Amino acid sequence: DGGITQSPKYLFRKEGQNVTLSCEQNLNHDAMYWYRQDPGQGLRLIYYSQIVNDFQKGDIAEGYSVSREKKESFPLTVTSAQKNPTAFYLCASSRGSPDTQYFGPGTRLTVL
Amino acid sequence: QKEVEQDPGPLSVPEGAIVSLNCTYSNSAFQYFMWYRQYSRKGPELLMYTYSSGNKEDGRFTAQVDKSSKYISLFIRDSQPSDSATYLCAMSRNSGNTPLVFGKGTRLSVIA
Repeated sequence: DGGITQSPKYLFRKEGQNVTLSCEQNLNHDAMYWYRQDPGQGLRLIYYSQIVNDFQKGDIAEGYSVSREKKESFPLTVTSAQKNPTAFYLCASSRGSPDTQYFGPGTRLTVL
Repeated sequence: QKEVEQDPGPLSVPEGAIVSLNCTYSNSAFQYFMWYRQYSRKGPELLMYTYSSGNKEDGRFTAQVDKSSKYISLFIRDSQPSDSATYLCAMSRNSGNTPLVFGKGTRLSVIA
C-alpha cells in the first residue's frame, strides 16, 4: 500500500531536549511538508521541500530544523529553542499539478 | 484580513440534514480548491478538489466554487453521524508543488 507514515505516534520530551519526528512516503511524491496543529489554530506550515537537498521555511520555522537527503524521507527536529513545542505534528506530500497534499497520521508531541 | 476565512463552528445538525460548510478568501490568484476531512487525532484526508469555478459532485458531497465572490462551499446531503469531523478548506495559487493555504476548519457534529 502506498502512503505516508509518521513515527512515533506519541512522543514525550523533557525541556531542553531535541527530538526528531520521522516522516516517510512511498508515493513517489516530489514535495513534502511539515505542519503544526494546535487547538483553534488550524494548520501552520513549518517547512517544506520541493526536491531532495532543498527546503524552504514556512510560517513558523523558528525552533525547528529539517533535512531532505532522500526523496522518501523528510525528518523534522524540534530543538530546545522551540519554546512551546507541545502540539500535533502532521507531515504531508504532494505530486505535481494540482497541489493536492496527502497527510500522514500525525505525531503528538508533549513536553514534560 | 486573513487569506482564507472559515467559521470554526461548532456546527451541530440532526442526522439526515443537509450541511453547508463555507470559506471565503481574499487572493484572487487562487485557482485550486480542496476540502479535507479530519477525524479527531487523525491526519486530514482529501475529500474533494476543484479547479477554478463551478461544481463538483461525489456521492453525498458537492463542492462549489464562486470565484467572482471569492467563496467556496461544501454541501453534505443526508448527513450521517460518521460525517462528524472537522472540515478544512484549502486553496492554491497555481500548479506545481507550492504550499496550500488552509482555513482553520469547521467542527461538525451530526446527531443521531
